[in-house]
Amino acid sequence: DIQMTQSPSTLSASVGDRVTITCRASQSISSWLAWVQHKPGKAPKLLIYKASTLDSGVPSRFSGSGSGTQFTLTISSLQPDDFAAYFCHQYISSPITFGGGTKVEIK
Amino acid sequence: QVQVQESGPGLVKPSETLSLTCTVSGGSVSPNYWSWIRQPPGKGLEWIAYINYSGSAKYNPLLKSRVTVSVDTSKNQVSLQLSAVTAADTAVYYCARHVSHDTTGFEFLGNWGQGTLVTVSS
Repeated sequence: DIQMTQSPSTLSASVGDRVTITCRASQSISSWLAWVQHKPGKAPKLLIYKASTLDSGVPSRFSGSGSGTQFTLTISSLQPDDFAAYFCHQYISSPITFGGGTKVEIK
Repeated sequence: QVQVQESGPGLVKPSETLSLTCTVSGGSVSPNYWSWIRQPPGKGLEWIAYINYSGSAKYNPLLKSRVTVSVDTSKNQVSLQLSAVTAADTAVYYCARHVSHDTTGFEFLGNWGQGTLVTVSS
């Protein structure tokens, strides 16, 4: 199975900050990586697929980059609605595997 | 917009069978694949199994001996059964739709339910 290592596990930031979260794959996954936002009690929401393609309706302050084994999710200017958990998952091979998650907290 | 909702008992006794249903609205279970994923308290996400509308399924080898997934196209539902549960099976269980935006065949998890907490306890 492909292992996904996500960092940091927790991030404290303020509104307006630029935030970067990283996912590393144990082997190359090309660009087959998705980023998901998860708020407590809500359905996880797809933000980005194919490493850098924003899903429909996702604000442009979110961006994704990377290929191979190293990927980043960037929020250019953190908004109050963005305080949530984020996780990545690879989908190049079965089983789909997930990063451990990053909780973005208010500083 | 496809909506996904998991349902089932919130409490299951050890050694019994956990049964959950995923109901799809605003769309059809066909022709997509559907996955079950779980997250134990304080731990990461674990993929359990997937199935498509015709019943073709694949299971996590670690759980394969205890898991059955099925699909009912007439009810627009996908189901999960996990037998011989223990406290280690306590988790939030999610249903998610596989989506592809190109012809490569690679599919990400595009629509998720909000999950349902299942506690295994006597």
